[in-house]
Amino acid sequence: SQQGEEDPQALSIQEGENATMNCSYKTSINNLQWYRQNSGRGLVHLILIRSNEREKHSGRLRVTLDTSKKSSSLLITASRAADTASYFCARGNAGGTSYGKLTFGQGTILTVHP
Amino acid sequence: SAVISQKPSRDICQRGTSLTIQCQVDSQVTMMFWYRQQPGQSLTLIATANQGSEATYESGFVIDKFPISRPNLTFSTLTVSNMSPEDSSIYLCSVDSGGGETQYFGPGTRLLVL
Repeated sequence: SQQGEEDPQALSIQEGENATMNCSYKTSINNLQWYRQNSGRGLVHLILIRSNEREKHSGRLRVTLDTSKKSSSLLITASRAADTASYFCARGNAGGTSYGKLTFGQGTILTVHP
Repeated sequence: SAVISQKPSRDICQRGTSLTIQCQVDSQVTMMFWYRQQPGQSLTLIATANQGSEATYESGFVIDKFPISRPNLTFSTLTVSNMSPEDSSIYLCSVDSGGGETQYFGPGTRLLVL
C-alpha cells in the first residue's frame, strides 16, 4: 500500500497526559502533515513539516520528522477531553503529476478521558 | 482559509441508483479533490478536479462510476453511479490552500446504500 502506517491504531489516556502518535511512510516526501477529524466529519489541518525540517511546534503540538527512518511523530501535550478525535498523517507528494496530492495514513483514534 | 460546504450532508439510497454530491467553496480555487472514506478507514483520493480540464482519476477509480464536473472555480460535483452497498462511505471534497501543500476540507457527505 502507498498509504503510511500509523501507530497506535487507538490510544486512550487521561486528561493532562501527553499523547504520542507515530507515522511511517515508504516513498520520498515533500512534506508531512497532520490532520484531525472529529466524529467522521471534515478534516482540519493541524501542522505541516517540510522534508528539510526536523521539528516543529504549534501550541500544544510538537511534530518531529526523521527522513532517514521515513517516520514522523505527533505529540499533544497536556491533553484535554476536546482533543478526542481521529488523527491522520498525510504525505505531501513531490511535484509533477502528484502536485498538491496528499496520501493519508491509516489514522490513530485518540480518546481523552476527563 | 476557505469555507467549503457540501450537499447533501447525508443520504440513504437504494442500490442501482445514482447520487450527485455538490461541493461549494467561498473563494476561487484551482485545485479541488474528491476523497472516499470507507467505514473505519482512512481517506483515499478518488480524483483531482481542475477547472477547464478533465478530472484526473486515481488507480481503482473510473469516470463511468464517479463522473465529476467542475464548471467554475468555486463549484464541483461528484456523482456516485449505479450504487452498491460497497459504496457506503463518507465522501469529502477538499481544495488546495494555494501552495500545493495543505488542503481545506468540506464537512463530508455520509452515504448509506441499501
